[in-house]
This record gives sequence, C-alpha cells and structure tokens, in this order.
Amino acid sequence: DIQMTQSPASLSASLEEIVTITCQASQDIGNWLAWYQQKPGKSPQLLIYDATSLADGVPSRFSGSRSGTQYSLKISRLQVEDIGSYYCQQAHSNPNTFGAGTKLELK
Amino acid sequence: EVQLVESGGGLVQPGRSMKLSCAASGFTFNNYDMAWVCQAPKKGLEWVATISYDGSSTYYRDSVKGRFTISRDNAKSTLYLQMDSLRSEDTATYYCARHDWYFDFWGPGTMVTVSS
Repeated sequence: DIQMTQSPASLSASLEEIVTITCQASQDIGNWLAWYQQKPGKSPQLLIYDATSLADGVPSRFSGSRSGTQYSLKISRLQVEDIGSYYCQQAHSNPNTFGAGTKLELK
Repeated sequence: EVQLVESGGGLVQPGRSMKLSCAASGFTFNNYDMAWVCQAPKKGLEWVATISYDGSSTYYRDSVKGRFTISRDNAKSTLYLQMDSLRSEDTATYYCARHDWYFDFWGPGTMVTVSS
C-alpha cells in the first residue's frame, strides 16, 4: 500500500498568516493527490484535486503544489472559517490511502 | 444539489451484523462509482470499499474483506454496506461518498458502535 506521511500533525496559526501542510508519498503517485478539509463535527469536503486544481466553490486563498513525491497545501491568508482538520489522499492505486491529518487551530 | 444521506447506524454487539444505507439525490447515480469511508473516534479517514457505477466491480480494504459487502440499487439511487462479524475496531462514523477518482461529495455520516 502507498503510505502518505502528512505533517505537521497539528498547527497553531494567527489570522491572515500563511499556512503550509505537506504530504510525502512513499512512491510515485503523479498528480493523483487530493486535499480535504473537515470542520469540527462535519464531514470532509474536497478542496484540491489532481494536486493543484481547486474544487468548485473553494476560495482562491487555498492552493496545492507538487515537488516530486512531496505535496503541499497552502492557505495564503488564514481565516477563522479555515479552522479544522486537513487530509491528503492518494488516488493513484488501491487501496486509496489518506494522510493521518493535520489539525489547524487559531493562535 | 448533490445530497447523500446515510442511515442504519447504532449500537451493535461484537460478532453481529448491521446494514448501512445511503440515499443519493441531485445527480445521475448510475453514472458514478460510490464508496464508504470510515473515521474512528478522534482518528483519521480510512477508505472501506468502492463499487463501480453498474455494480459489476467491488473493492475492499483488507481488514473488511470477507466481512463487509458493498452493493447498490440504481433504481432506488441507494448504496448499501452490509457489515457482518463486526469487531470493536469497526467502531467509527461511516461516510458514503461519491467516488469519481476522488471523493467529491460526502454524506453527513452515520455512527456505528460495536460494543457488548
């Protein structure tokens, strides 16, 4: 199975700050990478797919990038509604696997 | 508007069975693969199973193979997960999701607690 190593596990940031979360794939997955946001008590929502494409309705302050087998999610100016957990997921091969998640809190 | 609504969760004893349902609306159900994804309390997300758009192919994570069965009724736009021989480690919120390479729409989830 492909392992997705996500970091950091938790993150405390201030409003308007730039936030970056990374995922390292254990093997080449190309651009088959998605990011999800899960607000407290809610189901996950797709943010980014194909490593860099923004899902419908997602604010432009979110962006995704790739460097080899390392993937990053960047929030350019943190807003209060961005608080929650974030997960990466590889869709290259079965079983689809998720990163362990990053819990983002307000400082 | 795409809507997915799970039902059927609750408290069940170890070794017993439970069947989850997911009612879909707002899209052409029989055009899409569908999946179940679970989340144990305070834990991360785990893919459980996927079924192809026409039900001809199914895929499972290793820990549920032989115990869980995913199925669908395209006439009713409903997805199912039959869970047999339940274990305490199956305790989780189970989400129904549309699986279009990625999980692009999710239901609110239904909680399954396996305990004596």
